[in-house]
Amino acid sequence: NAGVTQTPKFQVLKTGQSMTLQCAQDMNHNSMYWYRQDPGMGLRLIYYSASEGTTDKGEVPNGYNVSRLNKREFSLRLESAAPSQTSVYFCASHLSGESYEQYFGPGTRLTVT
Amino acid sequence: AQSVTQPDIHITVSEGASLELRCNYSYGATPYLFWYVQSPGQGLQLLLKYFSGDTLVQGIKGFEAEFKRSQSSFNLRKPSVHWSDAAEYFCAVGARQAGTALIFGKGTTLSVSS
Repeated sequence: NAGVTQTPKFQVLKTGQSMTLQCAQDMNHNSMYWYRQDPGMGLRLIYYSASEGTTDKGEVPNGYNVSRLNKREFSLRLESAAPSQTSVYFCASHLSGESYEQYFGPGTRLTVT
Repeated sequence: AQSVTQPDIHITVSEGASLELRCNYSYGATPYLFWYVQSPGQGLQLLLKYFSGDTLVQGIKGFEAEFKRSQSSFNLRKPSVHWSDAAEYFCAVGARQAGTALIFGKGTTLSVSS
């Protein structure tokens, strides 16, 4: 049981390049989330998927798109990377119900030059 | 507006001394409450959580937190800090509703001096 996995762990992009961050969970969770973490800002929600087939914007969605490929996988795409998207990206998931605990992946450290 | 405030950006505590990290929240309903810890370069690990019942909750690594509804607070405590506790700590709140994201505070960095 790997929990939440993210690939890649590190990435350097040039301004204007595109990439997709992958996230997968093997806990049969309904809801999945993408956050970004910047120094002094805590974690801010980019997009989330309450259940398979649905996605919604969070606090900072501009410049990103997401796909809930199936129940396990939730990807985050940067179509045209900008230096302001330099950040650490975390994927999380949780199972709807009594326990609201979110489980986090190890993060992807992205630098855009 | 929903928000979480961690008033202390950085705290330094001597090893063996007690610790209290503050967390205040603004939320429309009774929330779920969490404390997460992040070591440098690592992901987030759940320390403890409050859903209902006893307002004093115990977590891993000897941490505890107390929910005070009247003060909208959920402060984290530890009686005796170890050098390995040096990390960044995040308080978070969430709705009692499926598919809603957590709202995080900006974090408190804990340094431990010998």
